[in-house]
Amino acid sequence: RKEVEQDPGPFNVPEGATVAFNCTYSNSASQSFFWYRQDCRKEPKLLMSVYSSGNEDGRFTAQLNRASQYISLLIRDSKLSDSATYLCVVSPIRGGNTGKLIFGQGTTLQVKP
Amino acid sequence: GAGVSQTPSNKVTEKGKYVELRCDPISGHTALYWYRQSLGQGPEFLIYFQGTGAADDSGLPNDRFFAVRPEGSVSTLKIQRTERGDSAVYLCASSLNTGTGRTEAFFGQGTRLTVV
Repeated sequence: RKEVEQDPGPFNVPEGATVAFNCTYSNSASQSFFWYRQDCRKEPKLLMSVYSSGNEDGRFTAQLNRASQYISLLIRDSKLSDSATYLCVVSPIRGGNTGKLIFGQGTTLQVKP
Repeated sequence: GAGVSQTPSNKVTEKGKYVELRCDPISGHTALYWYRQSLGQGPEFLIYFQGTGAADDSGLPNDRFFAVRPEGSVSTLKIQRTERGDSAVYLCASSLNTGTGRTEAFFGQGTRLTVV
């Protein structure tokens, strides 16, 4: 079983739609959680960190459920430019000492006009 | 440049040859990571340096893979006796470990290694 599991998709949605991605992780010692975005043939870039209280950045909302070891990302009012692969990432290290990042397979989103 | 720089961007080598991949992290970043990404997969952790020392090398697949960071900045990933299964994009990342909260890992554009 992979340490971080994601549905690879693809998710095909029309512009303006709301879409949600989920991710589960197996290591209960994981302390830090992130969503990264990766465009085709480009490097991953941090989209947002995920906190237990949930956090929002514009159209993006991330949630963490430690009891269920489950992380989610919600994108509202999808734009064509949101088309990318979204990578769920966990780390056993808390806070500033990033340490090892464990990536999921990624979920591909295609937003259509 | 201000970002993580990786060279070469592409490398084609014959099976059995030795290759070196170079990573120049962002100036001042103490942490440096190597990952490997195959098509359709997420990046797979290889090794993590804190300064000059390897803090975690648990992801190196076998003893053909080795990485160094002798002066705490530039790192080289070395692969001996390359195999076709080593073909992938090798990504390097660096971060500024401040111990005071979230520190983002910044990735280079990767080296695409093809073993023929």
